Order: sequence, then structure tokens, then C-alpha cells
Amino acid sequence: NAGVTQTPKFQVLKTGQSMTLQCAQDMNHNSMYWYRQDPGMGLRLIYYSASEGTTDKGEVPNGYNVSRLNKREFSLRLESAAPSQTSVYFCASSEGAHQPQHFGDGTRLSIL
Amino acid sequence: GQQLNQSPQSMFIQEGEDVSMNCTSSSIFNTWLWYKQDPGEGPVLLIALYKAGELTSNGRLTAQFGITRKDSFLNISASIPSDVGIYFCAGQARSSGTYKYIFGTGTRLKVLA
Repeated sequence: NAGVTQTPKFQVLKTGQSMTLQCAQDMNHNSMYWYRQDPGMGLRLIYYSASEGTTDKGEVPNGYNVSRLNKREFSLRLESAAPSQTSVYFCASSEGAHQPQHFGDGTRLSIL
Repeated sequence: GQQLNQSPQSMFIQEGEDVSMNCTSSSIFNTWLWYKQDPGEGPVLLIALYKAGELTSNGRLTAQFGITRKDSFLNISASIPSDVGIYFCAGQARSSGTYKYIFGTGTRLKVLA
């Protein structure tokens, strides 16, 4: 079972470039999430989608946009990448907004 | 904002020893989750807790939902080398009508054979 699939796994960008991180889940989950993970810090929520057709800001939304393309897919876009956005990005999904979340393997993004 | 304090931050133990770690919060949570993350991978759910006082096991792992609803504990019995990794707790509390999880900063476990 694939679970939550993230692409790409690694990416290097230059400051100012744009990039879309892709996420797809095959568990028929309603809710999807984007987090970033930085050294010494817990996972921080960027955006989430409680159900298809809805998106909401999390703790650290500045500099990001999201699209819930359909029930399976939830993408994260960096319009103008900044070095402060160098991080590991995780997508997660859950059956419902109050159910445990299941994570992908992450996208390691470096911005020079 | 809400914060989770997870301790210890890291620990070295001998293979076969028991391990204990905990998470504390200044806020009341409705759900506690425990995850393990291996290098280069995403967190994997180990145990979910839904009621104050609940004690749940998953193999050699046992987790408890604190009675005050502000803390949770994870114990690993008879540790083995594959227990190495980072263990995260996550708590969920209602915020502005939706449920969001807050994650701890992790306990890095290293097992000495």
C-alpha cells in the first residue's frame, strides 16, 4: 500500500524561484495537511484541508499557497522561494479532522 | 500559542533496557498520539490515546493518557537496536472550531548494543 506519496523527494531552488510540492493519498481520507520540519523543532502546520473543497491556514502559512485538487491530491506552492523556507516538508492525511494523521516520507527542499 | 514539552530530548540506553519518555502541555488535550521517525522517512503512528487515564500497548510499547489531560507517557520495554529513532508526541485540542495537532520536539533514542 502506497499510503501518502510525496514528490519530489529532494529539490534545490534558487531564491525567488517557484515550486509546487505534490502529495497524493490512496486511503480515501477526507483531511490532508502540509507541515514543515526544522532541526530542533516539532512539526509545524502550514496549511490543511479538512475536506475536499476547503483549505485553511495553519501556524506558519506565510509564503505558501495550497490547492486541494481533488480528494486524493493536495499540493503546496512556494511562489517566490526564500532561504528561510529551506526545510523538510511533510504531507499527511487523516480519515477525519480529529483522526490520527498518516505521513508521507517528505520532500527535502534547499533554497540557496 | 500551545506548546508541548517533550523529555528527555535525547537518551542513550543499553540494549535490553526499558525506556520512558513523556510530553507535557499547558493546555488540555482531547487526543494524544505517539509517532516514531526513522532517518529520511516520515513519522509513523505508534499509538493513539483518546481518554484520560487510558493505557494502550503496541507490542513492547505502552503509552498512557495522563489523568489531567495535560500529559502523556511512552514506555518501551526491552529495547532493541531497531528502536533507534526520534519519538514524537502530538496532542490535539479544539481550536477555533477545528481540530489541530500540536507536535513535540521529539526524543532522540540511541540504543547501544
